[in-house]
Amino acid sequence: NAGVTQTPKFRILKIGQSMTLQCAQDMNHNYMYWYRQDPGMGLKLIYYSVGAGITDKGEVPNGYNVSRSTTEDFPLRLELAAPSQTSVYFCASRQGSNQPQHFGDGTRLSIL
Amino acid sequence: RKEVEQDPGPFNVPEGATVAFNCTYSNSASQSFFWYRQDCRKEPKLLMSVYSSGNEDGRFTAQLNRASQYISLLIRDSKLSDSATYLCVGTGNQFYFGTGTSLTVIP
Repeated sequence: NAGVTQTPKFRILKIGQSMTLQCAQDMNHNYMYWYRQDPGMGLKLIYYSVGAGITDKGEVPNGYNVSRSTTEDFPLRLELAAPSQTSVYFCASRQGSNQPQHFGDGTRLSIL
Repeated sequence: RKEVEQDPGPFNVPEGATVAFNCTYSNSASQSFFWYRQDCRKEPKLLMSVYSSGNEDGRFTAQLNRASQYISLLIRDSKLSDSATYLCVGTGNQFYFGTGTSLTVIP
């Protein structure tokens, strides 16, 4: 039972590089989310999706893009990496609006 | 005003103590509430769901007070392994996390 799978687990980028953080869930959940968490701080919502083909901005969307072409996958794209994007990124999913979220293990991203 | 607010602590309690956390929410239309536990540099994990008047799971009891718009988490007989950050969550159109309350259980 894989649940929510995030890849890669760790990554170091140079300023200006781009990359895609992958997130996949095998629970047939409609809702998917991307958060970032800086050291000692709470979770901040970047983008979310309520179903395939539908995405919406969260609290801190600048510098990121997402797509949701399938129910299973919700990749997060960084186009021009900046040091301020150094963080731990968590992907989560849930079945319905009153159901709990399930999280992936996270991607630890450093931009130097 | 944030959707969900909680005291960040830290709470430092001796082993065996009882500790309670409170969390307030601003959206009276929120339907469901949850408590999550997050260990250092790990993903949040669901601890308890809180529906209607609350529920109990072993040493953990969660209560919901809709009139005053707060939820609480009570931990009895604290263990060293309970040391973590506890996040409360309310649902509306989105999923609103509190910033977390840090608990350290001391031997």
